[in-house]
Amino acid sequence: GAVVSQHPSWVICKSGTSVKIECRSLDFQATTMFWYRQFPKKSLMLMATSNEGSKATYEQGVEKDKFLINHASLTLSTLTVTSAHPEDSSFYICSARVLGTSDYNEQFFGPGTRLTVL
Amino acid sequence: RKEVEQDPGPFNVPEGATVAFNCTYSNSASQSFFWYRQDCRKEPKLLMSVYSSGNEDGRFTAQLNRASQYISLLIRDSKLSDSATYLCVVIPGNDYKLSFGAGTTVTVRA
Repeated sequence: GAVVSQHPSWVICKSGTSVKIECRSLDFQATTMFWYRQFPKKSLMLMATSNEGSKATYEQGVEKDKFLINHASLTLSTLTVTSAHPEDSSFYICSARVLGTSDYNEQFFGPGTRLTVL
Repeated sequence: RKEVEQDPGPFNVPEGATVAFNCTYSNSASQSFFWYRQDCRKEPKLLMSVYSSGNEDGRFTAQLNRASQYISLLIRDSKLSDSATYLCVVIPGNDYKLSFGAGTTVTVRA
């Protein structure tokens, strides 16, 4: 299957700082990437849909000014958690949909980024 | 009501046992269904899609019951390596957004 990478894999930061997480599709182009957040023992919650060359679409309850998403190319989407607070500590996972397919199966997940805000 | 609900378990079974669990979904118009596997602190990985007629992949069998709006996963001849959290995933709309259940934890013991 296709490979999606995320960087960093884990990060610890102080409250009030901003953290940028990168999601890359390594061997395919992805017009659409999705950003999820997962708290311990909870389901993955979709935060936003990132579309190459246009604004991201945020799910209800997700602050767009808090979670900045940029999808500058067909292989890279970034999520910036601005002014992070301890309640933002979570496991952030991206997924990428393969360009040109209508097969719902063609969505691949990155390995996730574990964010801890002190 | 949550879009996708699962029994969190845990299901603790001995090696070689059969274990089965269900997942219910709320949107009757949902068209696509999947089971993903997630190991501790790892990303979800697709285990299998679930087709209307039911499907089998080795020791794993998935069933869909549209009338009652649930899908099921059955694992036969459990292996230690089957220990994981199994996520029920539904695509409720016409876009590609996935709705995840909270997962069912399975622990296979020697």
